[in-house]
Amino acid sequence: SQTIHQWPATLVQPVGSPLSLECTVEGTSNPNLYWYRQAAGRGLQLLFYSVGIGQISSEVPQNLSASRPQDRQFILSSKKLLLSDSGFYLCAWSGGQGLTYEQYFGPGTRLTVT
Amino acid sequence: GQNIDQPTEMTATEGAIVQINCTYQTSGFNGLFWYQQHAGEAPTFLSYNVLDGLEEKGRFSSFLSRSKGYSYLLLKELQMKDSASYLCAVRDQGSGNTPLVFGKGTRLSVIA
Repeated sequence: SQTIHQWPATLVQPVGSPLSLECTVEGTSNPNLYWYRQAAGRGLQLLFYSVGIGQISSEVPQNLSASRPQDRQFILSSKKLLLSDSGFYLCAWSGGQGLTYEQYFGPGTRLTVT
Repeated sequence: GQNIDQPTEMTATEGAIVQINCTYQTSGFNGLFWYQQHAGEAPTFLSYNVLDGLEEKGRFSSFLSRSKGYSYLLLKELQMKDSASYLCAVRDQGSGNTPLVFGKGTRLSVIA
């Protein structure tokens, strides 16, 4: 069966510091990978998605970036965090070998920028 | 553009039935999805509709009318653990790679 991991689970970072969040998927190959952010009391906002290694589509211009160095690894980064970057960051996958149509989410990272 | 609307909050009684509505306006359509999200946790997949009609999964059912741009999630025999946010999402293009677009969610409170 497929599983998706994210770490860290929680993070408190000062304004201006860098960020690196990691997501990995097990149990499938060539998944589609997604990064979403959920601000307090708000809906899920798509940040980036990837259909393959090195292929990144950005949905929202901002100080975040994403990379996919390996087939089942997706990384969200920032060089300098802003207060507005606080939120619940969720990685998700779909597709893969079984052509899974729905998206499955990882456990999320709760980021607080102080 | 894309627009997905759901009620912000609903309250229902334990043991009762509740219907959560979702209307959508998207440039294309290739599936409607419902997710459950408990406070502080990630969303979990509940159901998927791509053709008109009702899909039943235990206590949960989901209905779709593509011509009306309308779906609902029906929860029967409500339990306290059903208190959560319910997210409606649409895939608006033909490729399975296309990310889902989510509504803001409906917060359901189940009371005794």
